[in-house]
Amino acid sequence: EVQLVESGGGLVQPGGSLRLSCAASGFTFSSYWMSWVRQAPGKGLEWVANIKQDGSEKYYVDSVKGRFTISRDNAKNSLYLQMNSLRAEDTAVYYCARDQGSGGDCSGGSCYSDYWGQGTLVTVSS
Amino acid sequence: AIRMTQSPSSFSASTGDRVTITCRASQGISSYLAWYQQKPGKAPKLLIYAASTLQSGVPSRFSGSGSGTDFTLTISCLQSEDFATYYCQQYYSYPSFGPGTKVDIK
Repeated sequence: EVQLVESGGGLVQPGGSLRLSCAASGFTFSSYWMSWVRQAPGKGLEWVANIKQDGSEKYYVDSVKGRFTISRDNAKNSLYLQMNSLRAEDTAVYYCARDQGSGGDCSGGSCYSDYWGQGTLVTVSS
Repeated sequence: AIRMTQSPSSFSASTGDRVTITCRASQGISSYLAWYQQKPGKAPKLLIYAASTLQSGVPSRFSGSGSGTDFTLTISCLQSEDFATYYCQQYYSYPSFGPGTKVDIK
């Protein structure tokens, strides 16, 4: 059974940093692109970033470029999101998701997500 | 960036109804479109990808159609467990989601 479990969320002041983790199990983690998707309270879904199987390609939504870094450790079956210079508008539930693409791979980060974690809440407030 | 719109934003329906949700892309995306269902407090669930391919385990009352810029999600006979919010997502380029369509009980 595919399982994705996020952790690391919490309350942080504006300008602060936080590192999210996602522990994957039930599939060969190193064979899949992975994404982070967020959802502000009462709002819709927003793709944040994704990363290729070997970490050689990473893509970000414009609003987080230069502040967030996605990474992975295939030996630990784990995905990460380092978030720096946090703003109030980054407040959201952050989901980790397994990606799929056309023909089974994501060209240039163009993926949809077939499995999602339960999410972890990040609140940016003073 | 490719912008996705959905209509309607919300509506009420009854169990047994046939419902259709529309999604439009700001530019052509071929068939690189997915549909998700989300219930309150839960993670999204993939229903359809490649515009019309049903994800494994998803009931056959769900179907998708369209290509280019205009897409639809149809639920042929609405069940109680289908009351939720539905999102479309393009993956022709960096992924982006529509604003969602909430289906609630009439």
